Amino acid sequence: GIQVEQSPPDLILQEGANSTLRCNFSDSVNNLQWFHQNPWGQLINLFYIPSGTKQNGRLSATTVATERYSLLYISSSQTTDSGVYFCAVGSGGATNKLIFGTGTLLAVQP
Amino acid sequence: EADIYQTPRYLVIGTGKKITLECSQTMGHDKMYWYQQDPGMELHLIHYSYGVNSTEKGDLSSESTVSRIRTEHFPLTLESARPSHTSQYLCASSGPGQAYIYGYTFGSGTRLTVV
Repeated sequence: GIQVEQSPPDLILQEGANSTLRCNFSDSVNNLQWFHQNPWGQLINLFYIPSGTKQNGRLSATTVATERYSLLYISSSQTTDSGVYFCAVGSGGATNKLIFGTGTLLAVQP
Repeated sequence: EADIYQTPRYLVIGTGKKITLECSQTMGHDKMYWYQQDPGMELHLIHYSYGVNSTEKGDLSSESTVSRIRTEHFPLTLESARPSHTSQYLCASSGPGQAYIYGYTFGSGTRLTVV
């Protein structure tokens, strides 16, 4: 099956700093999503981005499907950005199953 | 407001008890999923459904069972809970009506502790 690797596994930032999270996947995909899991365990969908670039406020994401990686950029980080960021990939289709990476644990300090 | 609901939010139960974790969505999504997540770890798919009366096992073997009798409802049942079942269980759905048809919406999760 598809393997999904995320880096770095842990990241500590000072408030206001920028960061880049990476997701590598082992096969071609039709579905790639970035999620943020807050400290209470709630998963929030940040981006649906199987290819191309998208931006939403301080967050942006880029997926280069031909090279099998995706990047999540966080600018001017805030303490509320803390949590775990997951990349998940899948082939779409009738079942639309997602395979999750191991996540990046982000801690933003005031 | 369209959403996906999981109950209970927290559950502490004794070994051997039968439990059912509830998941309902009001978005009319055809696909629903159950993921299991241990603390600090990634999510693993344990069950999914792509429509009424269709259920399949996921990539991670689980002793739980699921049913999909109605589009909006996808409960998960453990016939005899054991301490090894202690984990967080997350329900999700996807389908027509979302901004992106393959996009997922997750519920708040159920944190299960079996003592």
